[in-house]
Amino acid sequence: DTAVSQTPKYLVTQMGNDKSIKCEQNLGHDTMYWYKQDSKKFLKIMFSYNNKELIINETVPNRFSPKSPDKAHLNLHINSLELGDSAVYFCASSQRAGESQYFGPGTRLLVL
Amino acid sequence: ILNVEQSPQSLHVQEGDSTNFTCSFPSSNFYALHWYRWETAKSPEALFVMTLNGDEKKKGRISATLNTKEGYSYLYIKGSQPEDSATYLCARGGGADGLTFGKGTHLIIQP
Repeated sequence: DTAVSQTPKYLVTQMGNDKSIKCEQNLGHDTMYWYKQDSKKFLKIMFSYNNKELIINETVPNRFSPKSPDKAHLNLHINSLELGDSAVYFCASSQRAGESQYFGPGTRLLVL
Repeated sequence: ILNVEQSPQSLHVQEGDSTNFTCSFPSSNFYALHWYRWETAKSPEALFVMTLNGDEKKKGRISATLNTKEGYSYLYIKGSQPEDSATYLCARGGGADGLTFGKGTHLIIQP
C-alpha cells in the first residue's frame, strides 16, 4: 500500500497554463506539506497544512495555492505557469507537526 | 549559522570502511533535528528525529548524535555497504513549520 501518493508523476505543460498536482496520504496523519526541489536539488518548504488549516506559507508566489478537501488530501494548484516553476514537487505528511515526514514519489513539472 | 549546512558535499568511501558527516544548524529556537536518506529516483526516507541535547539514535549500522547548544549533529555509518550509497539530508524542524533542509551529503560506497 502506498503511504503518500502523488499524481501525476510527470507533467509537461505550456507557459501560462493552470495545473494541479494531487497528493493523498493513507496514514491518518494530521499534517501535510509541499516541498519544491530546485535546480540545485535543494528541497524547500512551500506549505504545510494541519487539520485543514494553513500553518506556514513561505515566500511562494500567490500563483501557488494549496487546497485540502479533507485531512488525507493536499492538492497544489498553480496558476499562470512560468518557466521557473519547472522543478520536482514533493508532497509529505507527518503524524504531527515536527515529527518524521513521509514523502511522496514526487511530481516532475516541466514548463515549456 | 543562519541556514542548515552539511559537510562534506560528497564523499567516496571504500566498502567496509566507517564514515561520518556533519550537519550544522542555528542553535536558537531549536525544536528538532531530522536525518533523511535519499536514494536516486526515490523519495527521502526518515532515519532519525532528535530533540534533546546529547540525544543519540541508532538504526542498524547507522547512528546519529545531537548537540543543540553548539548546533551540530553527526551521522555515522559503520562498515559501509554499497546499499548505503545515497544522499543524506539533515533538516531542522521548526515545530509547526515544515523542515529546513541542508543540501545533503552525497555518499558513494566503492566496492
